Amino acid sequence: DAKTTQPTSMDCAEGRAANLPCNHSTISGNEYVYWYRQIHSQGPQYIIHGLKNNETNEMASLIITEDRKSSTLILPHATLRDTAVYYCIVKIGTGFQKLVFGTGTRLLVSP
Amino acid sequence: DVKVTQSSRYLVKRTGEKVFLECVQDMDHENMFWYRQDPGLGLRLIYFSYDVKMKEKGDIPEGYSVSREKKERFSLILESASTNQTSMYLCASSVNRGLQETQYFGPGTRLLVL
Repeated sequence: DAKTTQPTSMDCAEGRAANLPCNHSTISGNEYVYWYRQIHSQGPQYIIHGLKNNETNEMASLIITEDRKSSTLILPHATLRDTAVYYCIVKIGTGFQKLVFGTGTRLLVSP
Repeated sequence: DVKVTQSSRYLVKRTGEKVFLECVQDMDHENMFWYRQDPGLGLRLIYFSYDVKMKEKGDIPEGYSVSREKKERFSLILESASTNQTSMYLCASSVNRGLQETQYFGPGTRLLVL
């Protein structure tokens, strides 16, 4: 599995965009970038995933660099409820593959 | 929306008890998983199932068993609970759609074994 590197923690003001970076320089051509988050004492929540094109859904946007060695998760208008640990994972899209979470980025959204 | 539910959010059991953790998903997913999550150790796969009555061991199956009699339900059984099984237990389900497999998690069961 490709490894990912994320900052340990980030702060964001409520209402501002939160941009969470992830480095995955050893990603393979058939590996997707997935983002999950985990609010304290809850199960992980799927956010978004992508292969090489930018993706957007109702929760967030995912920007993947052209060389696919890094990506950024964007929460366009962060709220207090977005305070969580965010995990960037790379994995093969097809078939089953266990999820391996690194240490993630602890995002704190403040008023 | 995908919904994965787990039978209990919090559970306290005594050493030696048999413990059942239930997981139900309502999206007709083929794949279901049981993980445990511990501080400093991250997420570890216990068992998974890719079809009814099928099961495969994950990385840490010792002390656990599973049952999948119906597609929507995947049970984790601790045959004789021990204190080192105190943990957060997470169930997930997924379906293979073309080239993409996305896992969705339940809320978790925090188990304390005394």
